[in-house]
Amino acid sequence: AQTVTQSQPEMSVQEAETVTLSCTYDTSESDYYLFWYKQPPSRQMILVIRQEAYKQQNATENRFSVNFQKAAKSFSLKISDSQLGDAAMYFCAPQTQGGSEKLVFGKGTKLTVNP
Amino acid sequence: GAVVSQHPSWVICKSGTSVKIECRSLDFQATTMFWYRQFPKQSLMLMATSNEGSKATYEQGVEKDKFLINHASLTLSTLTVTSAHPEDSSFYICSARNWGLAGDNEQFFGPGTRLTVL
Repeated sequence: AQTVTQSQPEMSVQEAETVTLSCTYDTSESDYYLFWYKQPPSRQMILVIRQEAYKQQNATENRFSVNFQKAAKSFSLKISDSQLGDAAMYFCAPQTQGGSEKLVFGKGTKLTVNP
Repeated sequence: GAVVSQHPSWVICKSGTSVKIECRSLDFQATTMFWYRQFPKQSLMLMATSNEGSKATYEQGVEKDKFLINHASLTLSTLTVTSAHPEDSSFYICSARNWGLAGDNEQFFGPGTRLTVL
């Protein structure tokens, strides 16, 4: 079974600064997807960014980018120019392949953005 | 597009009663739906995966006779918590995906249902 480790239960960042959230995972698969989801206080899960494991290029979505190290099984999220609205729980989630393609969520990192 | 709704958003029930939660994909056909449970300050834990027209696949440790899942149409899945007890109080979230969208592995999440069992 896949395991996901988010070693930072809480992080804080000053508005406009950059913060990196870490995630490591364990999988025996060679091709898979990785996701970062954001859960604000409303508790609605929002997709932040996704990465396909067979692609070497790191995914970027505006202020959000990832550092994907396949061999190290590391998938960190960098948030640039942090905004107050970025405050939320962030979950890393690799997706199993074959069959149902389930998401396996890490325990999450609570991000606080200070004005 | 890709909106998923849940109903109700909040429900309170007495111990021993059953509660049904609906999950609907509003603008796409959801061939697969997932049900998660999230306890306070914890992560999402997958309970089961349901495919339209077939029996749900439950994760290890989830009682299938207690958490009944029905996915009778391509836009609706229901989770029924039978004989609910206070320890079943939690936040239940569904998600949906459409296998027909080639190359799209994204799950679209509902807003969640808060269940409180007294």
